Amino acid sequence: TQLLEQSPQFLSIQEGENLTVYCNSSSVFSSLQWYRQEPGEGPVLLVTVVTGGEVKKLKRLTFQFGDARKDSSLHITAAQPGDTGLYLCASRTSGTYKYIFGTGTRLKVLA
Amino acid sequence: DTGVSQNPRHKITKRGQNVTFRCDPISEHNRLYWYRQTLGQGPEFLTYFQNEAQLEKSRLLSDRFSAERPKGSFSTLEIQRTEQGDSAMYLCASSFDYKTQYFGPGTRLLVL
Repeated sequence: TQLLEQSPQFLSIQEGENLTVYCNSSSVFSSLQWYRQEPGEGPVLLVTVVTGGEVKKLKRLTFQFGDARKDSSLHITAAQPGDTGLYLCASRTSGTYKYIFGTGTRLKVLA
Repeated sequence: DTGVSQNPRHKITKRGQNVTFRCDPISEHNRLYWYRQTLGQGPEFLTYFQNEAQLEKSRLLSDRFSAERPKGSFSTLEIQRTEQGDSAMYLCASSFDYKTQYFGPGTRLLVL
């Protein structure tokens, strides 16, 4: 069974700090998606990484896909209160149409 | 441009009643997914449609759950004889490829 493990589960930081959250699996993924979800809303796609070693930047967010395509990280520089939310990674399981999601990292950025 | 829409946004029902949720995907998307999300967890896959064909269904989906996508446009998810354990957020997502999914705002179900 393919699983996505995210760490840390919870993170509370002050505005302006940097942080990194991780998404790990024992399986190889063809691609991996990162989402942010706010309370009472659906997840919003931030980025999809496809190639091993790939790095993508979205303003203050930097996403990296591991060389072996088994792990990924999300780094936020100078966090702002607007970054508060649940960060989820997701991938399609091999040979199926099914997507699995990690349990998420709940981030709170204090002003 | 309208994104994925879901109706209703909230539903409160009594145990044993049937409920139906609707999802309207982004118009040019041929792929449609349903998920269930409980508090503190990531979304759990329920089922997948490509156009009108239901190509995958999770074992989590008991025989009380059924989904349809007539004509490959909107989709409905029905839960029969609801149980308190069905209380959750039901999310719909659509896409045009396997690398992206665009989620709707979800329908929050509370079974009393």
